[in-house]
Amino acid sequence: DVKVTQSSRYLVKRTGEKVFLECVQDMDHENMFWYRQDPGLGLRLIYFSYDVKMKEKGDIPEGYSVSREKKERFSLILESASTNQTSMYLCASSSWGRDEQYFGPGTRLTVT
Amino acid sequence: QQQVKQSPQSLIVQKGGISIINCAYENTAFDYFPWYQQFPGKGPALLIAIRPDVSEKKEGRFTISFNKSAKQFSLHIMDSQPGDSATYFCAASMDSAGTASKLTFGTGTRLQVTL
Repeated sequence: DVKVTQSSRYLVKRTGEKVFLECVQDMDHENMFWYRQDPGLGLRLIYFSYDVKMKEKGDIPEGYSVSREKKERFSLILESASTNQTSMYLCASSSWGRDEQYFGPGTRLTVT
Repeated sequence: QQQVKQSPQSLIVQKGGISIINCAYENTAFDYFPWYQQFPGKGPALLIAIRPDVSEKKEGRFTISFNKSAKQFSLHIMDSQPGDSATYFCAASMDSAGTASKLTFGTGTRLQVTL
């Protein structure tokens, strides 16, 4: 059974802080993704990675960066958090050549 | 640019009724159309998916209808149950040689099934 875990369920940070969101998957998946979910906007892709140390921008990468040093771990970094980054952040993984993505439970980030 | 448009935004259906959620896409290169189901406090999970070589796919009470010429696809939930109350997302992706296959999601439909 695929398991995608995210380091925190809820997080409260102050404007200007550097924020790290961690995601770990246990199925040896090559691909990992970070989305943000906002009411009325659905899921929007921030960044994804198809291999260790490889990353590509998604649809809304501004204000975010990512790191993938190990295959099972994908980190989302907010260099200087802003209030408009208050959102639910979802991590997902998939196997190379397969379309199905497996999602973690999400991290609800509030930036005050 | 909204490449996958989903409607309605919310839906209330009586127990035993049929729930219908519609999606329309613009990019004719899309070749995979999944529906994800999300319960409160959980991440989305794949419910059912279709490729454009068939017009319909059925799994239990859930059916996807696909209309390639109209660039539309829909989810039908037959005999809707209170346990089906969740948010449903349609999505689409295309073959991306050399990199990961990315999903473009619709905006979601919150379904409530009443007793």
